[in-house]
Amino acid sequence: AQKVTQAQTEISVVEKEDVTLDCVYETRDTTYYLFWYKQPPSGELVFLIRRNSFDEQNEISGRYSWNFQKSTSSFNFTITASQVVDSAVYFCALSEVNAGNMLTFGGGTRLMVKP
Amino acid sequence: EAGVTQFPSHSVIEKGQTVTLRCDPISGHDNLYWYRRVMGKEIKFLLHFVKESKQDESGMPNNRFLAERTGGTYSTLKVQPAELEDSGVYFCASSQLVGALNTEAFFGQGTRLTVV
Repeated sequence: AQKVTQAQTEISVVEKEDVTLDCVYETRDTTYYLFWYKQPPSGELVFLIRRNSFDEQNEISGRYSWNFQKSTSSFNFTITASQVVDSAVYFCALSEVNAGNMLTFGGGTRLMVKP
Repeated sequence: EAGVTQFPSHSVIEKGQTVTLRCDPISGHDNLYWYRRVMGKEIKFLLHFVKESKQDESGMPNNRFLAERTGGTYSTLKVQPAELEDSGVYFCASSQLVGALNTEAFFGQGTRLTVV
């Protein structure tokens, strides 16, 4: 069965600091997708990234970067030079192609960026 | 392009009453999912529609929950009768079906349900 673990329940940083959110997953499938979603105070879940299991290249999008390592079953998310607007709950999720693409979520990490 | 829309955004009902949540997916998205997050726990899958058909309802907690998607457009999730443990945030998501592949799911803002 699939499982996603976000060990950090809450992180507090000061603006301009770099911060890494950890995500570890378990799956028996060889084909799967990993996701990150952001939940700002307004409540909706905002899609950030999807990565398939065959693509281990790291990705950078502005101040955001993702490090996918199959050897450690991790898909960590780094925010560089954090800003107050980055304050949100961040969810890591996994979907298996053989499971209808339903998402299994981690418990979320609440990030607080203080000015 | 409009995103996934959920209504109402908040609902407070008494135990034993009925509540119906509505989700309007992104136009053209065949996949529609319901998830919920009860207090302090993970976001959990409830069910998945492909067009008007229930593809997977393995996450539905019990028979007090009924989901429909008539005509393959919007979906409703009815809770009858509501219990205290049903309180939480109910999310709807939709995605496209492109060939045999599903694209990433886009979520609505959620409906916060409080049963008192």
